[in-house]
This record gives sequence, structure tokens and C-alpha cells, in this order.
Amino acid sequence: DVKVTQSSRYLVKRTGEKVFLECVQDMDHENMFWYRQDPGLGLRLIYFSYDVKMKEKGDIPEGYSVSREKKERFSLILESASTNQTSMYLCASSPPARELFFGEGSRLTVL
Amino acid sequence: QKEVEQDPGPLSVPEGAIVSLNCTYSNSAFQYFMWYRQYSRKGPELLMYTYSSGNKEDGRFTAQVDKSSKYISLFIRDSQPSDSATYLCAMNLYAGGTSYGKLTFGQGTILTVHP
Repeated sequence: DVKVTQSSRYLVKRTGEKVFLECVQDMDHENMFWYRQDPGLGLRLIYFSYDVKMKEKGDIPEGYSVSREKKERFSLILESASTNQTSMYLCASSPPARELFFGEGSRLTVL
Repeated sequence: QKEVEQDPGPLSVPEGAIVSLNCTYSNSAFQYFMWYRQYSRKGPELLMYTYSSGNKEDGRFTAQVDKSSKYISLFIRDSQPSDSATYLCAMNLYAGGTSYGKLTFGQGTILTVHP
């Protein structure tokens, strides 16, 4: 079975803090994604990566950055957390142009 | 207008009912169609996947795609309380020679099956 592991399930941070969300997949997938999910808005793509050290902006990249130094690991970084970044963050991986396999999510609260 | 429209519900049905979940889309270039199920406080998990028009059946679940109408459906027969979840439709483009193909999701429909 594909396993996508997000290191933190629940985080509480303060406004202005730097936040790292880590994601690791064990299926040697080329593609990795970060989404956020909010009630009434569904899943929105923040960033994705189709290769090591490669990244592409998604639909809502503002306030976020990403890092992919190794194929299996994709990190989402909030340089200076704000309250409007309180959300559920979902990491996913996939083979090329195929279905996504999601992690269990990281619920971030920014106070 | 969103590329993918899905009625968010919520939808509440009695156990044993047939459930119909639907999505419409506007981009005729979409080629791959998926349904994800998401339980509360969990990540979405792939339920069904298809890339052609017609029906695909898997146990109590049937996925239907009508590309001419740009309409996809998920039917759940003999619904169970354990089917209570949010159901998300998703689709992506045929990426050809490129290696990436990001999904476009519907908003998700919240389904509750009560005993």
C-alpha cells in the first residue's frame, strides 16, 4: 500500500512564527502536492513538485514556500504564519498524471 | 464559474437507500475522473478511478461518466452508516508526455447515512 506520512497531525502556532510541515512518501512517486482544505472552499492546490528540486505554484501559493531536496520528501513552509492560514493541510503523491494518494492531514491553528 | 461543480449537500439518507452523487465540469479536456472518500479528520482516499465514458462498478459503488454532457456520478447501493463521509469528485487532464497532472476537485458532498 502507498503510504504518505505527514509528520504532525495537529499544530498550534502563533502569528509570525515560521512553520514547517513535513511529508514523506514511500512509493517512489515523481509528483508531490500540498493542498489546503477549508469548509465551503474544498481542496485548493498550494504548490506541487514533479521532480527533486523542482516546484510549481498552484492556485494559492502566496504566503507559502516549499522544499524538495529528496524524492520522497516534500516540505511546506509558512515563513510568517498568519491567522488566515489556519486550515487543514493535505500532502499527496502520485505517479505521472494519475490519481493522488493523500496523507492524513495536518490541522494547523494559528493564534 | 468553477471548473468543477459539486453540490456540497449535506445529504442525509436512511440505511439501505441508493445514493447518487454528482459533479459537472466545464473543461472538455478532462480525461481522468476520480471519486475520493474522506472520513472526518482524515485525508481523502481514492474510491474509484476511470478514464472513459460509461459505467464502472466496484461492489456497492458505481461510477458513471458522460463526457458528452460533462457530467459524472457516483452511485452507492444499499448504503451503510459506514458510508457516512465527504465524497469528492476530482479530474485531471491528459498530460501527454509531461510528467505531472494536477487534479481539479469538486467542493465535496457531505453524506450521512443514518440507521
